[in-house]
Amino acid sequence: EVQLQQSGPELRRPGSSVKLSCKASGYSITDYLMHWVKHRPEHGLEWIGWIDPEDGETKYAQKFQSKATLTADTSSNTAYMQLSSLTSEDTATYFCARMTMMTPGWFAYWGQGTLVTVSS
Amino acid sequence: DIVLTQSPATLSVTPGESVSLSCRASQGISTSIHWYQQKSNESPRLLIKFASQSISGIPSRFSGSGSGTDFTLSINRVESEDFSVYYCQQSYSLPLTFGSGTKLEIK
Repeated sequence: EVQLQQSGPELRRPGSSVKLSCKASGYSITDYLMHWVKHRPEHGLEWIGWIDPEDGETKYAQKFQSKATLTADTSSNTAYMQLSSLTSEDTATYFCARMTMMTPGWFAYWGQGTLVTVSS
Repeated sequence: DIVLTQSPATLSVTPGESVSLSCRASQGISTSIHWYQQKSNESPRLLIKFASQSISGIPSRFSGSGSGTDFTLSINRVESEDFSVYYCQQSYSLPLTFGSGTKLEIK
């Protein structure tokens, strides 16, 4: 059974950074891209980007180019996302998600989400 | 970027009614649209893929239609568990984008 287990909630000060994790089970992360999605209730869902854990290739939405850094550790079957220079606009729930193919399609599997709160 | 416009933003209905939710793309995207349901504090759940293809485990009252720029998610006889937010997502081109959502609430 495919599962994506994300790390717990985070509270950060403005200007700091945070690193979220997404541990996959039931498959090897090198077999599929790992995507990250931002959710704020008043703004809906936003695609941040993806990483190919097999070779480390990444693709970001332009809006998140300078905000997010995606990495992966194949030895632990875990993907990571670091968010830098945090502001109140980064307060959101962040999901990792996987498709069933390598080409863009639908998100079949989702982590439970990590709530990041940015507050002084 | 492809913009997806969902309407209405909020839909108030009585359980047992049938509803249609709209998703309009800023350019033609063939049938590369997918629909999700998201309840509060939960992850999105896939309902329909490629505009009209059903998903295993999803109740048959959910159906999708459309191609090009106009898409519809239909719910036949809404049940109490269906009151949540619905999003469309396109996979026609990067960046992947989502609609702003339609909230289905109890009248």
